[in-house]
Amino acid sequence: DIVMTQTPLSSPVTLGQPASISCRSSQSLVHSDGNTYLSWLQQRPGQPPRLLIYKISNRFSGVPDRFSGSGAGTDFTLKISRVEAEDVGVYYCMQATQFPQTFGQGTKVEIK
Amino acid sequence: EVQLVESGGGLVKPGGSLRLSCAASGFTFSSYSMNWVRQAPGKGLEWVSSISSSSSYIYYADSVKGRFTISRDNAKNSLYLQMNSLRAEDTAVYYCAREVQLWPDFDYWGQGTLVTVSS
Repeated sequence: DIVMTQTPLSSPVTLGQPASISCRSSQSLVHSDGNTYLSWLQQRPGQPPRLLIYKISNRFSGVPDRFSGSGAGTDFTLKISRVEAEDVGVYYCMQATQFPQTFGQGTKVEIK
Repeated sequence: EVQLVESGGGLVKPGGSLRLSCAASGFTFSSYSMNWVRQAPGKGLEWVSSISSSSSYIYYADSVKGRFTISRDNAKNSLYLQMNSLRAEDTAVYYCAREVQLWPDFDYWGQGTLVTVSS
């Protein structure tokens, strides 16, 4: 299975300031069809996961544009341009390039 | 609006069985592959099982293979997970998740149902 490693595991951020989360995969996530199936999920406290970003950089329906994704190959980044109170929670990267889908350990974003 | 509502969780003794259900609405259920993903208390996410739209393709994580059975009833817009020979390490919130039609991302998730395996 592909191992997904996130850093940092915890990210205290001041409201209005940016936040950045890194995700590294144990092997390239480029699929044979040319796409890279790396997504980001948000899990607010007490809530189920919610899809934020798919295929590295595409925002899912209803996701604010302060969220952006980038990267290629094995290294990926989720950025929040200006953190708001509602962004508190745990963020997971997930790969769907190779069966089975696997997740990073999660990064907790909290307000300082 | 896409809705996924899980039910059937609860407290069960080691070695026992439980059947989870996921009721889907707001989309054409029979057109989508569906999955179960679990989350142990305070832990991360683990994919458990998937089933294709017509039940032709079924897959399991090694950790549950031979003990869990996924199924669906497209006429009832429902997904199921039969869990047998339960172990303490199966304790988790179980989410049903819809798979994107063209690639295996999970675009909608239910609220989850808690399964606790304890004597």
